[in-house]
Amino acid sequence: SQTIHQWPATLVQPVGSPLSLECTVEGTSNPNLYWYRQAAGRGLQLLFYSVGIGQISSEVPQNLSASRPQDRQFILSSKKLLLSDSGFYLCACLTGIGAFFGQGTRLTVV
Amino acid sequence: AQSVTQLGSHVSVSEGALVLLRCNYSSSVPPYLFWYVQYPNQGLQLLLKYTSAATLVKGINGFEAEFKKSETSFHLTKPSAHMSDAAEYFCAVTNQAGTALIFGKGTTLSVSS
Repeated sequence: SQTIHQWPATLVQPVGSPLSLECTVEGTSNPNLYWYRQAAGRGLQLLFYSVGIGQISSEVPQNLSASRPQDRQFILSSKKLLLSDSGFYLCACLTGIGAFFGQGTRLTVV
Repeated sequence: AQSVTQLGSHVSVSEGALVLLRCNYSSSVPPYLFWYVQYPNQGLQLLLKYTSAATLVKGINGFEAEFKKSETSFHLTKPSAHMSDAAEYFCAVTNQAGTALIFGKGTTLSVSS
């Protein structure tokens, strides 16, 4: 079965600092991978998705970027964080059974 | 384009009462539909899914959902609520290619004793 690892679980970063959140997947090959942000009361916002190595689609213009250097690795980055980047970030893998999620990263930008 | 609408951002029920969480979808292709549950500060857990087989889908924890094409609905139900069901619930739709996974805004379920 698929397992998604996300780290770190919580992160407090100052405004203007860089960001790197990592997601790795086990138990499947060539998965479709997703980054979501969840802000209080606003549901899940799709940020990026990837159907393969080096293939990134961005759903909304923003201060973030994503990369997929390996089949089972998906990275969310920023060069300079904004206060509005605070939120709960979730990585997901979509298979024929459904979407499986990591445990999330709580990012607080101060 | 696909979309999901969850009616009611907050639903409150008493322990033992029927749970009904509403979801309507819009899709130009045959949809795959999902319900997820999220407990505080955790990721999302799959409750159940519809992938064009049986229209009544049974999931974990006693939940079930019925796909109604004529109503473009996929409402989630449970006959008798438990305190442990209190959480946030998300309805989602995807196309069969898996290149789009769209969530509703979520419904918070509260259960009182």
